[in-house]
Amino acid sequence: AQSVAQPEDQVNVAEGNPLTVKCTYSVSGNPYLFWYVQYPNRGLQFLLKYITGDNLVKGSYGFEAEFNKSQTSFHLKKPSALVSDSALYFCAVRPPGRAGNMLTFGGGTRLMVKP
Amino acid sequence: GAVVSQHPSWVICKSGTSVKIECRSLDFQATTMFWYRQFPKQSLMLMATSNEGSKATYEQGVEKDKFLINHASLTLSTLTVTSAHPEDSSFYICSARDRESEPIWRERGYEQYFGPGTRLTVT
Repeated sequence: AQSVAQPEDQVNVAEGNPLTVKCTYSVSGNPYLFWYVQYPNRGLQFLLKYITGDNLVKGSYGFEAEFNKSQTSFHLKKPSALVSDSALYFCAVRPPGRAGNMLTFGGGTRLMVKP
Repeated sequence: GAVVSQHPSWVICKSGTSVKIECRSLDFQATTMFWYRQFPKQSLMLMATSNEGSKATYEQGVEKDKFLINHASLTLSTLTVTSAHPEDSSFYICSARDRESEPIWRERGYEQYFGPGTRLTVT
């Protein structure tokens, strides 16, 4: 069975500094990996995904993530954080192939960007 | 494109009553929709997978008689919480997958599009 770990419950960053939100996964085969952001009382908004190809994936709002197969990681990064980036971030994994339809989510990481 | 709506966005009901939550794909057809629930400060937990024209598949531990799912059309799935109790209070989120051919599904990683969520409070 697949699993996703987000080791940090909260990440604090000063505005303008780079940010990293960590994600590691466990799944058989080559996974599909996703990052979503959730603002208070809102559903999930898609940020980016890794399917295949370049390990560095660029997404919405200036975010990017790097797929590292050897470390089974998919950390979310942004060069310069904004206060408006403060939200809850979820990493999710889906196993390859048609058999597994469902996404498995990590526990979420709250990002706090302070001015 | 790929917009999913949920109605209502929030609802308060009395214990023992039933509540219906709608999930609609607005600009695409969805043969598959997913229902999640999220407790405060926790992650999303998949409750069930809803397939148009067939019975939903429930995850282990989810009572199918309590959480009734109907996927009557390619753009609408409903979740009915029957005989609601305070412990059913939660944030319910649906997602939908575009009805496309298999190669496109694979190319997109079987991406799901999420609704804005429905906050249910049972008093």
